[in-house]
Amino acid sequence: TQLLEQSPQFLSIQEGENLTVYCNSSSVFSSLQWYRQEPGEGPVLLVTVVTGGEVKKLKRLTFQFGDARKDSSLHITAAQTGDTGLYLCAAHVTNQAGTALIFGKGTTLSVSS
Amino acid sequence: ETGVTQSPTHLIKTRGQQVTLRCSSQSGHNTVSWYQQALGQGPQFIFQYYREEENGRGNFPPRFSGLQFPNYSSELNVNALELDDSALYLCASSGGGLSAEAFFGQGTRLTVV
Repeated sequence: TQLLEQSPQFLSIQEGENLTVYCNSSSVFSSLQWYRQEPGEGPVLLVTVVTGGEVKKLKRLTFQFGDARKDSSLHITAAQTGDTGLYLCAAHVTNQAGTALIFGKGTTLSVSS
Repeated sequence: ETGVTQSPTHLIKTRGQQVTLRCSSQSGHNTVSWYQQALGQGPQFIFQYYREEENGRGNFPPRFSGLQFPNYSSELNVNALELDDSALYLCASSGGGLSAEAFFGQGTRLTVV
């Protein structure tokens, strides 16, 4: 079973449209991160959300952490072709073996002009 | 400040062979993690090294092994390569902590034929 479930898996939209990507889990996290990855590159951190109910804005991107700290969403307003990429949510998980940053499967976004 | 660099960028190996991938962490970072990423999927955690010790391992067989050196650079070794090992292998370094940002290299694209 996947610790972080992302939906939708694929999204293809026109420039100027709005979209929301979701990241859900049955586990509670102390923080959650969103990354964006372009083809041929490694993921790059967009934001870290820490407090339940927190909303963070990064230009046209709005990130929200659920009140129970189990889920998060990413909303993009007026999408541009430069927003195309793989959007990943990630959380740090600690067990007896150590701590690891675990990723969801990602949402592949394609924005066309 | 130098970023995370990985070598080689591309590699083709034959089934049954062994491979070593290398990663130089970002200056000042003592934690290195390795990930395997299939096309269009999120990165899967392989293992993490902190100050030369393995500090967390994902669901990968023992033929995936690693090392971290005193300068915090790292190697990923894969023995007895299988066709399913074909993937993008990402290295990430961080300064530690549960909200720490992970900085990724651009990855090594491994193809097993």
